[in-house]
Amino acid sequence: ETGVTQTPRHLVMGMTNKKSLKCEQHLGHNAMYWYKQSAKKPLELMFVYSLEERVENNSVPSRFSPECPNSSHLFLHLHTLQPEDSALYLCASSQGSSGFYEQYFGPGTRLTVT
Amino acid sequence: GNSVTQMEGPVTLSEEAFLTINCTYTATGYPSLFWYVQYPGEGLQLLLKATKADDKGSNKGFEATYRKETTSFHLEKGSVQVSDSAVYFCALSGYTGRRALTFGSGTRLQVQP
Repeated sequence: ETGVTQTPRHLVMGMTNKKSLKCEQHLGHNAMYWYKQSAKKPLELMFVYSLEERVENNSVPSRFSPECPNSSHLFLHLHTLQPEDSALYLCASSQGSSGFYEQYFGPGTRLTVT
Repeated sequence: GNSVTQMEGPVTLSEEAFLTINCTYTATGYPSLFWYVQYPGEGLQLLLKATKADDKGSNKGFEATYRKETTSFHLEKGSVQVSDSAVYFCALSGYTGRRALTFGSGTRLQVQP
């Protein structure tokens, strides 16, 4: 596969469940990102990893827990979510994390919290 | 801090019409500017970019010119097609210590046959 892939594409979970979102990039990039896209709101940056080290955390609630085991994989672990967490979660990667590099996005995971 | 302002949508056009989607920004220093497009059910794709003043980014018939004097990066296309229907995001990056892009709220384009 090429580019940035995300699994699952759709996820429905109850507020007491625990689930994980997975992102994989096949571009040889060093930086990976999680974004949240809600209806009628700008994209919200959640986390940035550069060379597997978390370099930015935008005041995201602790019920979202990221993990970056290597430069190709990024996870978002979810637990005790709220209905307002329902959104499209997008993963992206870039060659570097300085902000000047264009980002390549995956197709997203559509999350519904019931 | 950095910010991006886009015109609100939806923008509805007939096929072959001229398209302009306005984008203005606030940033310190000399940011790079981007337009991303999101087709239904997909993630964002880079459409074009410009890295310094007066640069023109272009791709697939779309163009945008980096105007430092007006802090703008308006997206244009001379003749839109139904397949251009999507949401378009303006974004910037720069020397703020922030390690990712700042996006506008997106503008939905609907092209009718």
